[in-house]
Amino acid sequence: DGGITQSPKYLFRKEGQNVTLSCEQNLNHDAMYWYRQDPGQGLRLIYYSQIVNDFQKGDIAEGYSVSREKKESFPLTVTSAQKNPTAFYLCASMRTTGPGTEAFFGQGTRLTVV
Amino acid sequence: AQSVTQPDIHITVSEGASLELRCNYSYGATPYLFWYVQSPGQGLQLLLKYFSGDTLVQGIKGFEAEFKRSQSSFNLRKPSVHWSDAAEYFCAVEDSGAGSYQLTFGKGTKLSVIP
Repeated sequence: DGGITQSPKYLFRKEGQNVTLSCEQNLNHDAMYWYRQDPGQGLRLIYYSQIVNDFQKGDIAEGYSVSREKKESFPLTVTSAQKNPTAFYLCASMRTTGPGTEAFFGQGTRLTVV
Repeated sequence: AQSVTQPDIHITVSEGASLELRCNYSYGATPYLFWYVQSPGQGLQLLLKYFSGDTLVQGIKGFEAEFKRSQSSFNLRKPSVHWSDAAEYFCAVEDSGAGSYQLTFGKGTKLSVIP
């Protein structure tokens, strides 16, 4: 089955640690996205990538980093510079053959600072 | 910049009652509009989308939405709500300008269903 896989589902981070969230897709989509979701805030874009080895900052990129070495993979690192990292993180992918295409989402990773 | 407003944070309806969730958007050109649904602790699933043609669009699970350009609205409706419809609903507009494919989401409306 084609889809997007995020791992782990739950992640705990100590203060001052970097953690990496995994996102893999087998849909052959060019574009991939990372969103942060907080209660009552909707989804806010962290980073996105439309081709391999290229990515752009979204609205709330500070304290996060990404890489896109393979089309299938778009890992997100939450660095110690992110002061309030506890949130639900969603990865998505989309074809870029034209506007109005559907975004497919993973099941999310819930990150908690302990 | 584009924006999406969902005025209702939380709506409660009885099972079998009709439902309308409101969405207003701000976008300079012809908008590409979407409704997504999210069950607790899960990802988002597309319910329906609009980008041209008939202003009343049908989606999955019996949902429909009507695009009204004059009101900058894209409200989601369902004639009879089922308990399984309890979830959070997000309206989104796509910015496809300059070759970027980005979605801007509203803050969501949480739907509770009373049996």
